[in-house]
Amino acid sequence: KQEVTQIPAALSVPEGENLVLNCSFTDSAIYNLQWFRQDPGKGLTSLLLIQSSQREQTSGRLNASLDKSSGRSTLYIAASQPGDSATYLCAAPTQGGSEKLVFGKGTKLTVNP
Amino acid sequence: DGGITQSPKYLFRKEGQNVTLSCEQNLNHDAMYWYRQDPGQGLRLIYYSQIVNDFQKGDIAEGYSVSREKKESFPLTVTSAQKNPTAFYLCASSSGEGTGGTGELFFGEGSRLTVL
Repeated sequence: KQEVTQIPAALSVPEGENLVLNCSFTDSAIYNLQWFRQDPGKGLTSLLLIQSSQREQTSGRLNASLDKSSGRSTLYIAASQPGDSATYLCAAPTQGGSEKLVFGKGTKLTVNP
Repeated sequence: DGGITQSPKYLFRKEGQNVTLSCEQNLNHDAMYWYRQDPGQGLRLIYYSQIVNDFQKGDIAEGYSVSREKKESFPLTVTSAQKNPTAFYLCASSSGEGTGGTGELFFGEGSRLTVL
């Protein structure tokens, strides 16, 4: 059964700092992994989708990596801004090619001006 | 604009009443999902549908029901049998790798249900 863990649960950094959010998963036979952002009281916004054939995906200041062999993914945020403050969640398929996702509990990021 | 629309955004219900949450998408996605989010517990899958007129139970389907009569619509009914219905409900859809899509999941803005 797939389990997804995100550490730390909360992170506070000063503006301008580069940071890394971690995501680990137990079943490495996945075909993709997705990172989301959630603002308080809102739905989830898709940030990056990494296919199993890729090792990285980039969008602006965000870079996500996927290492299936170690069961880990990281989300790198460059030059953080107060507007980046949100909860970041990662999600992996329940098994292999399933379209059902298992979500981590998220990392709540606060970027202080 | 393409997207997923959930309504209502806020809903209050008395104990013993059924309530239906609406989810409509104009992304032409085959797959649709309902998740429940509670503080400290993350998202849990209630029901999902990969094609019209077909749906499957997720991890916490008890006390809920769904229908999928049209591709763009996937309403969720929270019945009186659901013992703890107060939560934030999220609808999502994806194109699905099986139909040539990427499998990327997109979400609506959510519906917050409070049982009084």
